Amino acid sequence: GQQVMQIPQYQHVQEGEDFTTYCNSSTTLSNIQWYKQRPGGHPVFLIQLVKSGEVKKQKRLTFQFGEAKKNSSLHITATQTTDVGTYFCAGPEYNFNKFYFGSGTKLNVKP
Amino acid sequence: NAGVTQTPKFQVLKTGQSMTLQCAQDMNHEYMSWYRQDPGMGLRLIHYSVGAGITDQGEVPNGYNVSRSTTEDFPLRLLSAAPSQTSVYFCASSYAGTGDTEAFFGQGTRLTVV
Repeated sequence: GQQVMQIPQYQHVQEGEDFTTYCNSSTTLSNIQWYKQRPGGHPVFLIQLVKSGEVKKQKRLTFQFGEAKKNSSLHITATQTTDVGTYFCAGPEYNFNKFYFGSGTKLNVKP
Repeated sequence: NAGVTQTPKFQVLKTGQSMTLQCAQDMNHEYMSWYRQDPGMGLRLIHYSVGAGITDQGEVPNGYNVSRSTTEDFPLRLLSAAPSQTSVYFCASSYAGTGDTEAFFGQGTRLTVV
């Protein structure tokens, strides 16, 4: 079955430093979604990427979808303490009915 | 709109007991799913449903049953609880095939099996 791998598992940064998490799939994805889960909370949708090579920005967050549609990244510029949480990528199986999440990257930001 | 509502928020079970985790959504979403979240394992799909009367297995279905008699409700049943089922359970819903529309998650149920 499809596997979605995410690295790193943990990242500790000083406030103001940049942060990047990477997502790799064993199969080509039709699209990829990113979610954020605050400590003790539930996953919340951030963005969806559909096109090969697509880049989207949300303020300090930049999302990329690889040319082969098998990998993706989330980059946060100048982290803030409000960025603390776990970031998940997620992608559908080819028929869309099964939706697989990566293992997540837990970000800790020290003030 | 309440979105996706899960009950209970916390539950402690003894090994061998059964229980039902409730999930309801008021967004008229066709697709609903259950995930479990364990440390370092991300979210693993247990069961999903593409509409009333239709359910199917995800990655880790053993020990769990589901049914979908209405569009709004998608309960998850633990048949005979085991300590390995200690986890945080999330219910999610989305408008259509979840691959291309965002998923809305409930607040989660933290289950401990002793």
